[in-house]
Amino acid sequence: NAGVTQTPKFRVLKTGQSMTLLCAQDMNHEYMYWYRQDPGMGLRLIHYSVGEGTTAKGEVPDGYNVSRLKKQNFLLGLESAAPSQTSVYFCASSYSGGLNQPQHFGDGTRLSIL
Amino acid sequence: QQPVQSPQAVILREGEDAVINCSSSKALYSVHWYRQKHGEAPVFLMILLKGGEQKGHEKISASFNEKKQQSSLYLTASQLSYSGTYFCGTEDFGNEKLTFGTGTRLTIIP
Repeated sequence: NAGVTQTPKFRVLKTGQSMTLLCAQDMNHEYMYWYRQDPGMGLRLIHYSVGEGTTAKGEVPDGYNVSRLKKQNFLLGLESAAPSQTSVYFCASSYSGGLNQPQHFGDGTRLSIL
Repeated sequence: QQPVQSPQAVILREGEDAVINCSSSKALYSVHWYRQKHGEAPVFLMILLKGGEQKGHEKISASFNEKKQQSSLYLTASQLSYSGTYFCGTEDFGNEKLTFGTGTRLTIIP
């Protein structure tokens, strides 16, 4: 079972460049989430989706956009990368029914902005 | 607002016990616990849904005191494999998402 797959695993960008991080899940989960993890900060929610075609802002949405055109995919976009966006990005998904369901995490994308 | 975890870090010898606490300033609907090993993804441990609920997972158990808005994770007779960073994630009423604490780094030494 693939579970939650994130692409790419590593990326180095220059300030001002744009890129898209892809998250794919094969568990037929309704809910999907994008987090960033910085040293000493834990996991902070960027954006999330409760179903195909829906998105909502989390704690730290500025500088990011997302799309959920297909149920199994959740894309995170950086329009104009900044050094402050250097981080490890995790995607997670959970079954429908709210938060009494565990979240399943991908292996993460390590992103450096120079 | 992020829940507060304590301690921030703890070092134990194999076989010792540990308690990790998670406190919130908001009324909580549920508390999730996850463990993350260095360089890996967080892995789900357990969810506590009701006030006063306790759950167990091998030698790892947890309690949830709804009135005090806090949860505690208990690791009994710790093993080397328990090393990692433990995160609590809290869901307050009316939300569709978790807010994670900043983590507790647990190191088990032989």
